[in-house]
Amino acid sequence: NAGVTQTPKFQVLKTGQSMTLQCAQDMNHEYMSWYRQDPGMGLRLIHYSVGAGITDQGEVPNGYNVSRSTTEDFPLRLLSAAPSQTSVYFCASSSGQGAYNSPLHFGNGTRLTVT
Amino acid sequence: GNSVTQMEGPVTLSEEAFLTINCTYTATGYPSLFWYVQYPGEGLQLLLKATKADDKGSNKGFEATYRKETTSFHLEKGSVQVSDSAVYFCALSAKAGNMLTFGGGTRLMVKP
Repeated sequence: NAGVTQTPKFQVLKTGQSMTLQCAQDMNHEYMSWYRQDPGMGLRLIHYSVGAGITDQGEVPNGYNVSRSTTEDFPLRLLSAAPSQTSVYFCASSSGQGAYNSPLHFGNGTRLTVT
Repeated sequence: GNSVTQMEGPVTLSEEAFLTINCTYTATGYPSLFWYVQYPGEGLQLLLKATKADDKGSNKGFEATYRKETTSFHLEKGSVQVSDSAVYFCALSAKAGNMLTFGGGTRLMVKP
């Protein structure tokens, strides 16, 4: 059982480049989300999805796009990378019963550096 | 809005010492509270949770009590081990669904 799989693990981009961070889960979870982790700031929600075809913005959505065409996949797109997007990105999923009844399952993260 | 404040780290302890990591929150309504743990190179894992005032969450020797009067959810363990070295995050969920608000994280280092 793979859980939540994120690729790549590491990425270096130049300012202005675009890329997609991949996230896949094999638990048939309805809810998926993307967080960024910055030193001293904890995790901040970027975008989330409550099911295929439905996405919404979190706390820090600017500069990022998402789509959810299947239950399993929830890619995060950076259209024009900026140094402020240097961070560690985590994808998470849960069954959609609510945070108390269904804990978030996290991937191992993607460390992104934008120069 | 909702927010979570944790004590800044790193916290450095010797093995078998007592651990307290402070967490306070601000939220509307009656949030659910959580502690997540992140081991080196990994994603976060749920450690324990509590859903209402005076509830105590516990797991792996860690405990935290939901204190509504002080809006706190401090994490405690009576005797830490080297394997407890990790970053600990306090979090809350204040509305239906799965969105969590996290604190800044506290790094714990336990020395043998």
